Amino acid sequence: ILNVEQSPQSLHVQEGDSTNFTCSFPSSNFYALHWYRWETAKSPEALFVMTLNGDEKKKGRISATLNTKEGYSYLYIKGSQPEDSATYLCASQGGSEKLVFGKGTKLTVNP
Amino acid sequence: NAGVTQTPKFRVLKTGQSMTLLCAQDMNHEYMYWYRQDPGMGLRLIHYSVGEGTTAKGEVPDGYNVSRLKKQNFLLGLESAAPSQTSVYFCASRYPGTQGPANTEAFFGQGTRLTVV
Repeated sequence: ILNVEQSPQSLHVQEGDSTNFTCSFPSSNFYALHWYRWETAKSPEALFVMTLNGDEKKKGRISATLNTKEGYSYLYIKGSQPEDSATYLCASQGGSEKLVFGKGTKLTVNP
Repeated sequence: NAGVTQTPKFRVLKTGQSMTLLCAQDMNHEYMYWYRQDPGMGLRLIHYSVGEGTTAKGEVPDGYNVSRLKKQNFLLGLESAAPSQTSVYFCASRYPGTQGPANTEAFFGQGTRLTVV
């Protein structure tokens, strides 16, 4: 069983602040690392899927990096907006099949 | 294109009753998953399937059974519901098989809120 850890558990920031979260995962049997955005009363939606050490992906103001050797990934949000408020989940894909999630980081952006 | 559809959306069961949750996807995905979401626990993997006729245990499989008789459907069964199974259940699917790499994103259903009293 994979053990995926996310920190912090929750985060409150002001509109315009930049912020980042951490996801740590077992580096053995690693296949891919996923990030999802989960708004209240909705279903999780994918942000990024990364596979290679040193991968960096960007979507608008959100970006992510991957270090497979040490087993961590960072998610960055630049200039947070109230609509960024959500829970951000990472998931480790060990082998090509199993997808195990962390507990998430709940972000609240205050106007 | 409906994506991933879960049935029912809500259900209240009495302790000891049985029920089946249905997940249907129309994206021809090979892999399907059942998760449960509890406060402070994120998504925990119950069971998953890598293809029609196959199933495997996840992190919290006890008290649940699954079947994947058709590629598009993944059923989650509770034989004798317990209050500890009160949760929101999410189904997800991914990976179109030979059409691309195995590191593809997952698509989620809208969730089923189950209460066991």
